[in-house]
Amino acid sequence: AQSVTQPDIHITVSEGASLELRCNYSYGATPYLFWYVQSPGQGLQLLLKYFSGDTLVQGIKGFEAEFKRSQSSFNLRKPSVHWSDAAEYFCAVGAGSGGYQKVTFGIGTKLQVIP
Amino acid sequence: DTEVTQTPKHLVMGMTNKKSLKCEQHMGHRAMYWYKQKAKKPPELMFVYSYEKLSINESVPSRFSPECPNSSLLNLHLHALQPEDSALYLCASSLHGARYEQYFGPGTRLTVT
Repeated sequence: AQSVTQPDIHITVSEGASLELRCNYSYGATPYLFWYVQSPGQGLQLLLKYFSGDTLVQGIKGFEAEFKRSQSSFNLRKPSVHWSDAAEYFCAVGAGSGGYQKVTFGIGTKLQVIP
Repeated sequence: DTEVTQTPKHLVMGMTNKKSLKCEQHMGHRAMYWYKQKAKKPPELMFVYSYEKLSINESVPSRFSPECPNSSLLNLHLHALQPEDSALYLCASSLHGARYEQYFGPGTRLTVT
C-alpha cells in the first residue's frame, strides 16, 4: 500500500524568502506524485504533478518540485514566497486501478508567511 | 470549463434529517470521487465512481449513500447522520485512467446537530 510522509506540520517563512516543503513517499512501483494546496475552507488546487520523464517539475504560481527516486522524495520549492502562499499544502501519491486513481494524501504542511 | 461545482456550500442538519449533496462537472471526466475532510486532517476517500458504476466504497457507513445518475453528476444522500459526521465533503473528478490528476470542487461544509 502506498503512503506519504510530510515531516513538517507547520512552517513559518518570511515574505520573499525561499521555501522548501518536504515529502517522502512509499510505493512499490513508479509513483504518480502530486502537490495540492488548500486555502481555509476551500477545495484542493493542483500545483504540480509527476508521472514520468524530467524529474524537475514546474507548476503553477511559481512552484517546482523535484522527484528523487533514490531518496523516495518529492520536495516542493519556491524561490520567493508571497503572503498569498499562506495555506495548507498536501503531498499525495496516486495508484491506478480500473480506470480511476486512488490517491493517498500526506498529513499536510501548514505554511505561515510573515512580513 | 475546468470546474467542479458543489452545492450547497454549507449545510446544517439534524440527526433525523435526510439531505443530499450535489456535485457537477462538465469536463467529460468519467471518474468521480467523494472525500471527507475533518479539520486539520487530509481528505479521506469515501467512494469512487468509474463510468457511473460504484468502484470503491471505503467501508463507509450506510447512512451515506452515493449516486451517479449520469456522467456529469454525483450525489451523496445523507440520512440519520451523527455529530461526528460533521466535516467538509469534497467532490473530485478525473479523466478515465490512472495517470490523470483529480480536480476538486470547493466542498460542502456539513454540520450535524
